[in-house]
Amino acid sequence: GNSVTQMEGPVTLSEEAFLTINCTYTATGYPSLFWYVQYPGEGLQLLLKATKADDKGSNKGFEATYRKETTSFHLEKGSVQVSDSAVYFCALSDLIVEGYQKVTFGTGTKLQVIP
Amino acid sequence: DAGVTQSPTHLIKTRGQHVTLRCSPISGHKSVSWYQQVLGQGPQFIFQYYEKEERGRGNFPDRFSARQFPNYSSELNVNALLLGDSALYLCASSQESLSNQPQHFGDGTRLSIL
Repeated sequence: GNSVTQMEGPVTLSEEAFLTINCTYTATGYPSLFWYVQYPGEGLQLLLKATKADDKGSNKGFEATYRKETTSFHLEKGSVQVSDSAVYFCALSDLIVEGYQKVTFGTGTKLQVIP
Repeated sequence: DAGVTQSPTHLIKTRGQHVTLRCSPISGHKSVSWYQQVLGQGPQFIFQYYEKEERGRGNFPDRFSARQFPNYSSELNVNALLLGDSALYLCASSQESLSNQPQHFGDGTRLSIL
């Protein structure tokens, strides 16, 4: 079956540092890939997405490129802020059969940004 | 526009009891999925409903059931509650059931089993 592997956290960075959170996946079909962010006490919010190989998703300074050759979708940001502190989830979405969309999540990476 | 709404926000039950969790999707969204999120883990897929039919089921026991109503809202039912059912239950909706559709999440129902 499909699976998503994320780097373990927590990741602690100083403000304005460069961020990379690694994500690799295994899939049998042609999935779409997503990054979600979860703040304490809240549900998940979509951060960015890419639906086919070599697509780059971007939002709020975050970027990730769908690399089929390395089965990866690493999240990057050039300069993090304290407000970026949250848990980040990599996710894979696949259409199992018509009408059945299954989303598989990684275990999450907690990011803490220190002023 | 209203996002995905879930009720109740918090719930405390004892072992053996039954619980019903409710979800209203974003207007126009036909697909609803349910997830269980244990502290420190990613969401685990329980069910997906699309156009009022169950389309997929994760690796959960038969104590878990769900349904989707004509207005696309949904309920998740859990019978014979166990301590291990304590978790955040998340509902997510999407406009259609396609792999490229992002899911929009509610804030969840925090279920505690005593």
